[in-house]
Amino acid sequence: DIQLTQSPSSLSASVGDRVTITCRASQIINTYVNWYQQKPGKAPKFLIYAASTLQSGVPSRFGGSGSGTDFTLTISSLQAEDSATYYCQQSYSAPWTFGQGTKVEIK
Amino acid sequence: EVQLLESGGGLVQPGRSLRLSCAASGFAFDDYAMHWIRQAPGKGLEWVSGISWNSANIDYADSVEGRFTISRDNAKNSLYLQMTSLRAEDTALYYCVAFNNYVEGFEYWGQGTPVTVSS
Repeated sequence: DIQLTQSPSSLSASVGDRVTITCRASQIINTYVNWYQQKPGKAPKFLIYAASTLQSGVPSRFGGSGSGTDFTLTISSLQAEDSATYYCQQSYSAPWTFGQGTKVEIK
Repeated sequence: EVQLLESGGGLVQPGRSLRLSCAASGFAFDDYAMHWIRQAPGKGLEWVSGISWNSANIDYADSVEGRFTISRDNAKNSLYLQMTSLRAEDTALYYCVAFNNYVEGFEYWGQGTPVTVSS
């Protein structure tokens, strides 16, 4: 199975800050990485697919990059409504696995 | 409006069975692979099982292989998960999720149905 390791597990940042979350895969997975946002008590929301393409309706302050084994989710200017847990997920091969999540809090 | 409405969750004793259902609307159900993803209380997301649009391809996580059975009825726009020999570690919120084959991501999510396995 492909393991995904996210870092950090949590972070606290101020509104307007640039935030970066990394996701490392246990093997090469090209760009088969997606990112999801989950707010407390809600279902996850599909943010980014194929490592860097924003899903329709996702604000442009969100961005993704990477290929191979190392991937990054960036929020260019953190907003209060971005407080959530973010998960990476690989679609390279079954079983489809998720990272352990990164909780983003607003200072 | 896309809707995925799960039902069938509840409190069940270890070793017993439960059947989850998911009613889909607002999108072309038979264009999508469908999956069950669960989230234990306070934990992350765990993929459980997936089924292709025509039921030809089915996958399970090792943790549920041989105990859970996924199925779908495209005529009823419905997805199912038959769970047997339930264990305490199966306790979770179970999400019904539509997988977009073109972007290869979990595009639509239900709100989840809770399953608690306890004596």
